Amino acid sequence: DIQMTQSPSSLSASVGDRVTITCRTSQSISGFLNWYQKKPGMAPKLLICGASTLQSGVPSRFSGSGSGTEFTLTISSVQPEDFATYYCQQSYNTPLITFGPGTTVDIK
Amino acid sequence: QLQLQESGPGLVKPSETLSLTCTVSGDSISSSRHYWAWIRQPPGKGLEWIGTIYYSGSTSYNPSVESRVTVSVHTSKKKFSLKLRSVTAADTATYYCARRFFIEGRPIDAFDIWGQGTMVTVSS
Repeated sequence: DIQMTQSPSSLSASVGDRVTITCRTSQSISGFLNWYQKKPGMAPKLLICGASTLQSGVPSRFSGSGSGTEFTLTISSVQPEDFATYYCQQSYNTPLITFGPGTTVDIK
Repeated sequence: QLQLQESGPGLVKPSETLSLTCTVSGDSISSSRHYWAWIRQPPGKGLEWIGTIYYSGSTSYNPSVESRVTVSVHTSKKKFSLKLRSVTAADTATYYCARRFFIEGRPIDAFDIWGQGTMVTVSS
């Protein structure tokens, strides 16, 4: 099994702050890493796939980087609508898929 | 525009079988470029992949539920289904169906379209 961790587990930010979330995996997954945004009562939304490919319609303030075992999701200037929980997910070991534990971004 | 919609009972008794259906609209369920999946989120917890099916019927399951789960596809009806047997309170969750897409030769393999989710409570 590929184990996944995210840090921090939660963070507080002000509108306009730069936010960085890190996802680490227990073994190399190349670039098979996706990021999702989850708000209460709503379905998860795919933000980034393949570690760094921004999904269509996702604001450019979101970016992803990394390969191997360490990945980051960056929000360059966090907006009010970005307060949510963010999950990473590996698709290297398909069909066995795992999600990270999540990082909650809330308002400072 | 592809849309997914989950349906099924919101309350299931312990030891019984949880049955959900996902209806696919706006596109074909028989695409060779997509898989179809079930994912759940227990209250206050993270996302957990349950299982995936290809239009041909080929399946894969999370080992944590593999002994209790069956995912099936009904291509003519544009639906796929989840059955989870012998449920307990630990199976209480919001259940999502989702489309998994991939691009050969690139590290692109993700869930791009999700249903709105349906809350299922296991309680007597």
